[in-house]
Amino acid sequence: GQQLNQSPQSMFIQEGEDVSMNCTSSSIFNTWLWYKQDPGEGPVLLIALYKAGELTSNGRLTAQFGITRKDSFLNISASIPSDVGIYFCAGRSTFGNEKLTFGTGTRLTIIP
Amino acid sequence: NAGVTQTPKFRVLKTGQSMTLLCAQDMNHEYMYWYRQDPGMGLRLIHYSVGEGTTAKGEVPDGYNVSRLKKQNFLLGLESAAPSQTSVYFCASSSRVSSNQPQHFGDGTRLSIL
Repeated sequence: GQQLNQSPQSMFIQEGEDVSMNCTSSSIFNTWLWYKQDPGEGPVLLIALYKAGELTSNGRLTAQFGITRKDSFLNISASIPSDVGIYFCAGRSTFGNEKLTFGTGTRLTIIP
Repeated sequence: NAGVTQTPKFRVLKTGQSMTLLCAQDMNHEYMYWYRQDPGMGLRLIHYSVGEGTTAKGEVPDGYNVSRLKKQNFLLGLESAAPSQTSVYFCASSSRVSSNQPQHFGDGTRLSIL
């Protein structure tokens, strides 16, 4: 099946630092989604991207749909303790395809 | 404002036992999904359903069965549990109204098979 490579696998940062993570695919996607999972809970949608080149923000979070349609990026500015969690990218290969392919996740830890 | 509700939240089984995980959504979504989450492997699709009475296999369907008798419920069954099925199971749902609707997740069921 399709593969999504998400990096880095984990990050250890200090509060206030900016965070960048990315996701690359072996095939073209028409939709990119970024989810966050807090401990003991299910993933929650952060940002949805639907067009190549699209740049979308949600508060301190900014995500971009890569021009090649094979990658996406998520940035978090001025990290705070509640940003701790696992971030997942997910992609949909064709419009109307009901299935998503998920990345393996980036675990974010904030060092006090 | 329940969204997607999974029961039970935790369960410990012995090898060979059977059980059913229940997922209920109150958003009138057509599509429902069952995933398993294992360390370092992200979310893998087990089975999914595009409507009442229909189911389809996902990426890792072996050892599981599903049923969608009512639109709001999606059941995941383990007929004979194996230690390899120890995992966290997530249910999700999405709307068919727009072709690019995101999936909404429950809080998971933590299942241990001894």
